[in-house]
Amino acid sequence: AQSVAQPEDQVNVAEGNPLTVKCTYSVSGNPYLFWYVQYPNRGLQFLLKYITGDNLVKGSYGFEAEFNKSQTSFHLKKPSALVSDSALYFCAVRLMNTGFQKLVFGTGTRLLVSP
Amino acid sequence: GAGVSQSPSNKVTEKGKDVELRCDPISGHTALYWYRQSLGQGLEFLIYFQGNSAPDKSGLPSDRFSAERTGGSVSTLTIQRTQQEDSAVYLCASSSMYLNQPQHFGDGTRLSIL
Repeated sequence: AQSVAQPEDQVNVAEGNPLTVKCTYSVSGNPYLFWYVQYPNRGLQFLLKYITGDNLVKGSYGFEAEFNKSQTSFHLKKPSALVSDSALYFCAVRLMNTGFQKLVFGTGTRLLVSP
Repeated sequence: GAGVSQSPSNKVTEKGKDVELRCDPISGHTALYWYRQSLGQGLEFLIYFQGNSAPDKSGLPSDRFSAERTGGSVSTLTIQRTQQEDSAVYLCASSSMYLNQPQHFGDGTRLSIL
């Protein structure tokens, strides 16, 4: 079955330290991968995507993600965390057997950045 | 508009009542999606529209749920005879027709069934 997994419910990091939020996927073919962030009482905001090309993708707010085909991973990273990065992060993968952008989302990882 | 707009932002209703949730997508976006987000859960796909057609409604949980889209723009998600398990945040997203473009989300409708 095509799926995406976020193995950590919560990630804690001190402000100024690097952060990583993990995501692994299982799809047939070449995946379309997305990261979204959700702040309290808000919808999801798009951060970045991998479709093809360079394995290191840069996105909004200083975030980046590395696509690793051999490990079927797409971990979200940021070199220096800010308290304002505290939010809920979702990884998503497009199902490849549909004619539209049907996304499967992970269960989300809560990022807490302490001052 | 500048973004996806959903109304109402909050809805509290009694079990057994019908509710209508509205989504106004980004102008020019032909694709529209409805999702449900329950507490502590990820997003659950409900239905997809391309223009006014719904090629995939496989995520609708029961026949109490229906949705329509008119004029290739505004969409309404209707839940009939609401149950307590329908309590959730209902999110709408829109995108262009291109598969490599991201979906843009509204802020959702928080539905509470008493």
